[in-house]
Amino acid sequence: GAVVSQHPSRVICKSGTSVKIECRSLDFQATTMFWYRQFPKQSLMLMATSNEGSKATYEQGVEKDKFLINHASLTLSTLTVTSAHPEDSSFYICSARVDPNTGELFFGEGSRLTVL
Amino acid sequence: AQRVTQPEKLLSVFKGAPVELKCNYSYSGSPELFWYVQYSRQRLQLLLRHISRESIKGFTADLNKGETSFHLKKPFAQEEDSAMYYCALSNQGGKLIFGQGTELSVKP
Repeated sequence: GAVVSQHPSRVICKSGTSVKIECRSLDFQATTMFWYRQFPKQSLMLMATSNEGSKATYEQGVEKDKFLINHASLTLSTLTVTSAHPEDSSFYICSARVDPNTGELFFGEGSRLTVL
Repeated sequence: AQRVTQPEKLLSVFKGAPVELKCNYSYSGSPELFWYVQYSRQRLQLLLRHISRESIKGFTADLNKGETSFHLKKPFAQEEDSAMYYCALSNQGGKLIFGQGTELSVKP
C-alpha cells in the first residue's frame, strides 16, 4: 500500500518559536495533501489542503499566517507552526490520495507537538 | 451542510458479542463513505468503503440512503478489534470529513 511519512514524530518547543513538520509520500506522487489536527480521542479536524505548486487552501477558522503550508514538490508538504503557543499543542496528521478518482486517503503516522 | 455523526463516544462489549457502530451523515450529493480505524499507537488506516461492498476483518457496512446511515457491524467481536473507529465522508471537493469517532472496547 501507499506510504505517507511524517517527521518529526514528536517535537517539544518553547512558546514563541516556530516548528516545521514534514510530510512525504514515499512511493507515489501527491499533487494534493491534507493536514489534519487531532485532539485526544476526538475527531480529526481538517486544517488545510496543500496543493503542489500553488497556495494552500485553509478551512474556516484556521489562521493561514499561523499555520504555514508549503507543497514544494510532488512528494513533500510542510506545515510550519509559527510563534507557537501552548494551545497549539496537538497531534498533527497529514494525508494524501493515491487515486484521484476515489476518496481514500493514506495517512502519516502523525506528529505530536508540545509547546511549553 | 456536510456532516458525519457518530453518536457513541465509547462502545464496550464482551468478546463474541455482536457489534454495531453507528454513523449518520448529512450530504446533499451522492456520498462516498468510509470507515477508518486507528489501533493503539498506530496510524489511521482504511477499514472499508461503501463502494467496495466488501467485508474486512469480519466487519461490514451498508449504505442506507433513506436513513442516511452507514453503520459498521460485526457479528462476533474480538479483543483485537479494540480501537478508535471513524466514519468519514468524501465530498466532491475531495476532502474527507470525519465523524467524532467511537472507541470500541472488547473485553475478554
